[in-house]
Amino acid sequence: SAVISQKPSRDICQRGTSLTIQCQVDSQVTMMFWYRQQPGQSLTLIATANQGSEATYESGFVIDKFPISRPNLTFSTLTVSNMSPEDSSIYLCSARDPGAPGYTFGSGTRLTVV
Amino acid sequence: GQQVMQIPQYQHVQEGEDFTTYCNSSTTLSNIQWYKQRPGGHPVFLIQLVKSGEVKKQKRLTFQFGEAKKNSSLHITATQTTDVGTYFCAGRANQFYFGTGTSLTVIP
Repeated sequence: SAVISQKPSRDICQRGTSLTIQCQVDSQVTMMFWYRQQPGQSLTLIATANQGSEATYESGFVIDKFPISRPNLTFSTLTVSNMSPEDSSIYLCSARDPGAPGYTFGSGTRLTVV
Repeated sequence: GQQVMQIPQYQHVQEGEDFTTYCNSSTTLSNIQWYKQRPGGHPVFLIQLVKSGEVKKQKRLTFQFGEAKKNSSLHITATQTTDVGTYFCAGRANQFYFGTGTSLTVIP
């Protein structure tokens, strides 16, 4: 299955600033997904990123707050903009191997906004 | 709101005891997947069930998909400390939803 490298693994940021999270996949994948997970909670899908088109955002998430790039079939970034303490969470990227049933996840980015 | 619920939310068992988590959807699912997330880790895919009534086994783990394709269960026989983690079901209705998760603690 695909291997996803995600960085940074954690960061502590000042409110009002932005953080860009990167995910690199070791194979080409059509879609990549960005999730948010509060500690001890389930995963909430933020958006789906397709190469060559704008990301599709889920209800409650907007492009101005979470801009996403997908420049090629192996890479994507998620930016958390104008951060507030409420953005403190774990952010995970995910992708699915063509022909494989399950989704592979990056190791996650633990973000703390102070 | 959340469409895929799991019970229990937490479960503490003595090592060697069995464990079951139940997953219930408000809508019919085309398939159900199960993931395990170790403390501090990321979700790892375990298995996918597609057919109504399907049962699959992986060593001590038994997965079932309900006849109506609205519920599923994961049963672990004779738990070990390595089974510690949160188990999520995930299913596709109009979109892909993760369940609320069951956190398993195994007491040595």
